[in-house]
Amino acid sequence: AQSVTQPDIHITVSEGASLELRCNYSYGATPYLFWYVQSPGQGLQLLLKYFSGDTLVQGIKGFEAEFKRSQSSFNLRKPSVHWSDAAEYFCAVGASGGYQKVTFGIGTKLQVIP
Amino acid sequence: ETGVTQTPRHLVMGMTNKKSLKCEQHLGHNAMYWYKQSAKKPLELMFVYSLEERVENNSVPSRFSPECPNSSHLFLHLHTLQPEDSALYLCASSSADRYGYTFGSGTRLTVV
Repeated sequence: AQSVTQPDIHITVSEGASLELRCNYSYGATPYLFWYVQSPGQGLQLLLKYFSGDTLVQGIKGFEAEFKRSQSSFNLRKPSVHWSDAAEYFCAVGASGGYQKVTFGIGTKLQVIP
Repeated sequence: ETGVTQTPRHLVMGMTNKKSLKCEQHLGHNAMYWYKQSAKKPLELMFVYSLEERVENNSVPSRFSPECPNSSHLFLHLHTLQPEDSALYLCASSSADRYGYTFGSGTRLTVV
């Protein structure tokens, strides 16, 4: 069975500082990996995804993530955080098929302080 | 991408009421999903429809009843709910040739 662990429930960073959100997954084959962001009162928006090729993937809003098979990790990074990045971030792992069965982590809530 | 619309945005219902949540997408996606989001818990997959056929039902109580009349519309019919069913209900859609979901903004349901 596939699973996702996000070890940090809540993270606080200063505006302009760098950010790294951790994600570890469990999946039997080559995983499809995703990061989503959710602003208060909104649905989830896809930031980026990985399923093959270059292990460093670029997403929207200046985010990137690196797939490390040996560590079963897919950490999300941003070099300089903006106040508007305050939101909840979800890592997810999925399987291919006729439809996409995706398992989400519990989420990491990001607070940005001036 | 925009294009998954959920109505209503907020719903307060009594335990004896019957109501329906609606989800609509015009992205040409062939799969649609209902997720439940509760505080401090991972998103819970409730139902999946692929090509208008229900392909997954994750042990959801019968007081939740999904309906997918066509590839663009998905409903979640609610009856005799419990207070613990209060949550944010999210609809999503996906395409077979492009990985990743498109989510709606959700319906915040409160059962009183």
